This record gives sequence, C-alpha cells and structure tokens, in this order.
Amino acid sequence: EAGVAQSPRYKIIEKRQSVAFWCNPISGHATLYWYQQILGQGPKLLIQFQNNGVVDDSQLPKDRFSAERLKGVDSTLKIQPAKLEDSAVYLCASSLPRTPYEQYFGPGTRLTVT
Amino acid sequence: AQSVAQPEDQVNVAEGNPLTVKCTYSVSGNPYLFWYVQYPNRGLQFLLKYITGDNLVKGSYGFEAEFNKSQTSFHLKKPSALVSDSALYFCAVRGYNAGNMLTFGGGTRLMVKP
Repeated sequence: EAGVAQSPRYKIIEKRQSVAFWCNPISGHATLYWYQQILGQGPKLLIQFQNNGVVDDSQLPKDRFSAERLKGVDSTLKIQPAKLEDSAVYLCASSLPRTPYEQYFGPGTRLTVT
Repeated sequence: AQSVAQPEDQVNVAEGNPLTVKCTYSVSGNPYLFWYVQYPNRGLQFLLKYITGDNLVKGSYGFEAEFNKSQTSFHLKKPSALVSDSALYFCAVRGYNAGNMLTFGGGTRLMVKP
C-alpha cells in the first residue's frame, strides 16, 4: 500500500514570498490533516478535512495560511506571505473514517524562511 | 484544553536493557492515548494506542505502554532495547469530545547505545 505522498520535500524562500505544499493521502482515506512541526516541538494540527469539507481549522493562521481539498483527495496548503516563524516541517496525515485516531503521516516538507 | 507532557528531552539506555519513555496528559473525560515514532527524514509512524480496556497495550516492534488513570500517565516501555530503536518518540492525546484532534507532546529522543 502506498503511503502519504508530499512534495516538495524541501523549500527555501525569503520572507514575504508565497509557498505551496502538496499532499496526496493514502487511497480511501477520507480524512486528511495538515500539521506544523517546529524544530524541537511536537506536531501542531493546522487543519483537518473530511472529504472536501473542513472539520477543524481553529489553529490555522487564516490571515496568511490557506488550504483546500477540492476533489476530496489531494490537498494543497499555502502560505502567503511567509514569515520567519513559519520555518518548520509541514506534515500531512490521513486516516480512515472508522479509525480516525490512527493517522498515517507523510515524510513532510521542510520549509526554511530567510 | 488537552495537553501532553514528555518530561525528558532525551533518554539514554544500553542495548539489551529495558527502556521507559514517560508521558503524562491532561484532558477532559476519558482519554484516547497514542505513541508515535519518528525516524530521521521520515514521517511519524503509529506505534500503539489506548482507547479502552486493558491498561497494558502492545504495539509495533515490541513496544508496549501502560495507561495509569490515577497518575494520568501513559509511559512507553520495551523489555530489551535495540540500537535500531533510537529515534524521536511522541506521545499524543485526544479528548473524548475533541473530534479527531490529536495534541502531541514535545517529543523524547531515545538513544540506545551498543
């Protein structure tokens, strides 16, 4: 079974630039999550989708972050404009509807904002 | 609000010795508890979970964890450590009424020396 795919793996941008990350979940996983993991910390949930609808985006900084999952499969997370404190690893995870607590994570995208 | 504490940034253990990685939590209602492991340049991998039932749960790679409600703890254990167990371990909690939102601890680095 193929895992969660993410791209790019690494990205370096200057502050105030924009960036987008892509995630393709495991086939059949209706629930998709985006996490932010700052160095030395545990992952923090940014947004959760169920199919193409948003379930929880309470921790998403909506003034600069946006995410979509238009067809209920793959998803894009965007930051515009980026700040230095956005430097982190952005993790995508997915899960089956019947086991939402068992999440499968992708390798992440490491973002460096200079 | 739910929270997780991993009091040790790093745990050092000799190969063949038993290991314990500590985790305490705070949550409203009955907790759902999880352990994930993160190897370098790889995404988080699910190790085990406690939902209900037996307080001692067994997971992947010979790991187990003990749920202690009175101490609000969920320590990860393994009877005999391997060098290949060296990685970053995260404890996570989900409150009963928290939907699918996982809150992660800050992580504990396990170093197993030959």
